[in-house]
Amino acid sequence: NAGVTQTPKFRILKIGQSMTLQCTQDMNHNYMYWYRQDPGMGLKLIYYSVGAGITDKGEVPNGYNVSRSTTEDFPLRLELAAPSQTSVYFCASSYRGGGEDEQFFGPGTRLTVL
Amino acid sequence: AQSVTQPDIHITVSEGASLELRCNYSYGATPYLFWYVQSPGQGLQLLLKYFSGDTLVQGIKGFEAEFKRSQSSFNLRKPSVHWSDAAEYFCAVGVTGGFKTIFGAGTRLFVKA
Repeated sequence: NAGVTQTPKFRILKIGQSMTLQCTQDMNHNYMYWYRQDPGMGLKLIYYSVGAGITDKGEVPNGYNVSRSTTEDFPLRLELAAPSQTSVYFCASSYRGGGEDEQFFGPGTRLTVL
Repeated sequence: AQSVTQPDIHITVSEGASLELRCNYSYGATPYLFWYVQSPGQGLQLLLKYFSGDTLVQGIKGFEAEFKRSQSSFNLRKPSVHWSDAAEYFCAVGVTGGFKTIFGAGTRLFVKA
């Protein structure tokens, strides 16, 4: 099992550009999550999904969009990138939801917006 | 509101010394508690978790944590630290009934020879 994979590992964007961060898991987990990690701030939930076709906002959804067309894939879309979106982004998945289960994390995408 | 506090931003210990990382939480019900470790450039990996039962839980890599309801704490311990333990450690609370895990800000561990 590859677990949770993310691409790309690094990316530099100019202000106003758009991009999609890819996330795939091969554990057949229904629950998937996108976090951003900023220094000294821990992880903040951007969006989550409880299954294919079902997504919802987390704590910091502004400036992002997601879709979940399959169980395996949960891409995160950044529209009109801003410097405030410079961060490290982690995708995660879990077997159960509701905060009751451990989450499996991808290796992260380091994004810089200049 | 639920929250997780890790009072120490960074800690330095000597190799072979004991370690305790502090975690305090604020949550109305019995929490689901987790400790994760993040090595440089990597994602988070679960060290251990507490759901119910024995308040002393064992994890991977020789770590353990103790749940103390009266103190709203879930401190992580290791009797003898190895250089490879240098990493960032996150305490987390799972919110039951909501699709949410709240993470602390993290404690970065430095290990000196």
